[in-house]
Amino acid sequence: DAKTTQPPSMDCAEGRAANLPCNHSTISGNEYVYWYRQIHSQGPQYIIHGLKNNETNEMASLIITEDRKSSTLILPHATLRDTAVYYCIVRVYRSSNTGKLIFGQGTTLQVKP
Amino acid sequence: SQTIHQWPATLVQPVGSPLSLECTVEGTSNPNLYWYRQAAGRGLQLLFYSVGIGQISSEVPQNLSASRPQDRQFILSSKKLLLSDSGFYLCASSGPTNEKLFFGSGTQLSVL
Repeated sequence: DAKTTQPPSMDCAEGRAANLPCNHSTISGNEYVYWYRQIHSQGPQYIIHGLKNNETNEMASLIITEDRKSSTLILPHATLRDTAVYYCIVRVYRSSNTGKLIFGQGTTLQVKP
Repeated sequence: SQTIHQWPATLVQPVGSPLSLECTVEGTSNPNLYWYRQAAGRGLQLLFYSVGIGQISSEVPQNLSASRPQDRQFILSSKKLLLSDSGFYLCASSGPTNEKLFFGSGTQLSVL
């Protein structure tokens, strides 16, 4: 699976949008971009994933560049409870594969009042 | 969605003692199951995964082993714990479509 690069930390003001970038310049055509987050001392939580189109769900939006070499996770109105480590992962998804997720170091997002 | 049950939440064990951590899954059948470990201040490291009963793949050589005696049960074991086995252990599951992983709440293991 392709490697990702994320900034180690970011701050965001409460109520503002949090934009978390991720570079995955070696991504291949069949690899999806996944985002998970981990609140301190808890298990990671799935946020969103996409292949090449932008995606939105109740938690966040995922913007993938046209060349697919980078993406941005957007939390539209960050709250203090969004303070967590955010992991960007690229992964080949097939129903027949093992579904292994290889986690990097992620971005620690600190939402401030 | 799936529910992952892990216990205990915290565990303190002496060096050289055995270990058994259990994980059970509800809400799906024939899941893929995973054990991850997170050392203090570090990222998650995949230890084992299983695609079916009795089928275990190890990702890294180590002092631990895993077993899957039932479809929705995954066990992490050690015969003799080392100090380096300390960490936060997470069980995860993916359902039939393998699209997402769901994680349990984890076990914080301290080996002293």
